[in-house]
Parts: sequence; C-alpha cells; structure tokens
Amino acid sequence: QVQLQESGPGLVKPSQTLSLTCTVSGGSISSGSYYWNWVRQPAGKGLEWIGRIYTSGSTNYNPSLKSRVTISEDTSKNQFSLKLSSVTAADTAVYYCARVYSSGWFAAFDIWGQGTVVTVSS
Amino acid sequence: DIQMTQSPPSLSASVGDRVTITCRASQTISSYLNWYQQKPGKAPKLLIYAASSLQSGVPSRFSGSGSGTDFTLTISSLQPEDFATYYCQQSYSTPMYTFGQGTKLEIK
Repeated sequence: QVQLQESGPGLVKPSQTLSLTCTVSGGSISSGSYYWNWVRQPAGKGLEWIGRIYTSGSTNYNPSLKSRVTISEDTSKNQFSLKLSSVTAADTAVYYCARVYSSGWFAAFDIWGQGTVVTVSS
Repeated sequence: DIQMTQSPPSLSASVGDRVTITCRASQTISSYLNWYQQKPGKAPKLLIYAASSLQSGVPSRFSGSGSGTDFTLTISSLQPEDFATYYCQQSYSTPMYTFGQGTKLEIK
C-alpha cells in the first residue's frame, strides 16, 4: 500500500525559500504510469496544483508559479521535493504531495499525503 | 487555462436525501473529470474518475455522470459521514490540472 508523507519547516520568513520533501513508502517513484505532484490549499480556500515530476526527473509546473518553483527527486531515498523561492504571505497554505495515476483515458490524484502547514511570517 | 465552476458553492441537506452537485468546464474536457471528497483537516479523497468510474472502496451511493462541459456528482442517500466539501478536477489539459472551487455539503 503506497503512502506519502510530507516533511519540512512549518514556518518560513518572507523572501526566503520554502523547502518540503515527500517520502514515498510501499512503492517506487520510478514506477511507470505515475506522476508525483505538489498541491497546495490556503486556509478555507480551494486546491491549486503546483507541479509534478515523473520519468527520469521530467517536470511540469503551474505557469503562475513556474518562475519560483523547482521540483526534484532522489530515487535512492524514494523521495521528491519542492522548493518555492521568494515566498510571501500569499504562499501560506497546507501543502500536499500526491500521486497521479494515468492511463490512456484518465488521470487522477489517487493517493495523497496528509498535508503539512507552511506559514510565511517574519 | 480551463476553468472549472461548481454549483452550488454550499448546500444544506438531511440524512437520507438525494444530492446533486454540478461542475461545468470552460471548454470541452471529454470525460477527463474527477471528483474528490475532503473532510476538515484531511487530504482530499478520490471518489469518481473519468466522470463516472467509481474508485475502489467508495460506496455505491456515489455516482458521476456527464461529458464535454457539464458533469454531476450524485449521492443517492446521504449518510452522516458524507458531510464534507466536494471538488471536481479536470485532467484534460494535462499537466495543468485545475480544480473547481468546491461545494460544501452541510447538515440541515
């Protein structure tokens, strides 16, 4: 049974870089048909896709965040990570890592981490 | 970007009621539409994928329908554990996944 777990600082100062890691257990991030994603949710608001990593480190990012986001992987540790630079209070949110399973006729977020709260404040 | 619009934003209903939530895409997305349930303090949970396919382990009182731009999630007989927020999400314009703004289902 695949499980995802986010980790990282819960408090980040404005203008600094937010760094989170997602540890995957029960399955390999190198498996085909899966995409490894970051999604965030400000308090009381909806879900925003941040970006994904897949197949030998290929990445895609939300255009609205692309200039500030880097997603990377460490296959030896079965982890993938998020870096978001130049953060402001608007980046305060619950950050989720999530797996997308994709076949030829659908793609869906089928497994999620529990989420981690990140607050941007001095 | 494809915009997803859910209605209503909130809904009050009673246990045993039949409830329908609507999701409209700003352009055709075929059947690339998923539904999620989120309870307070928890991660979203996949209910329906590809517009009408029930995710494993999800009760059969949940169903989805639609294609193109208009989709619905129906709960045939509300149970106490169904009170939550529901989100639709399109995967047509991969990788730019977008979610609806959510529908909060509350107890009447």
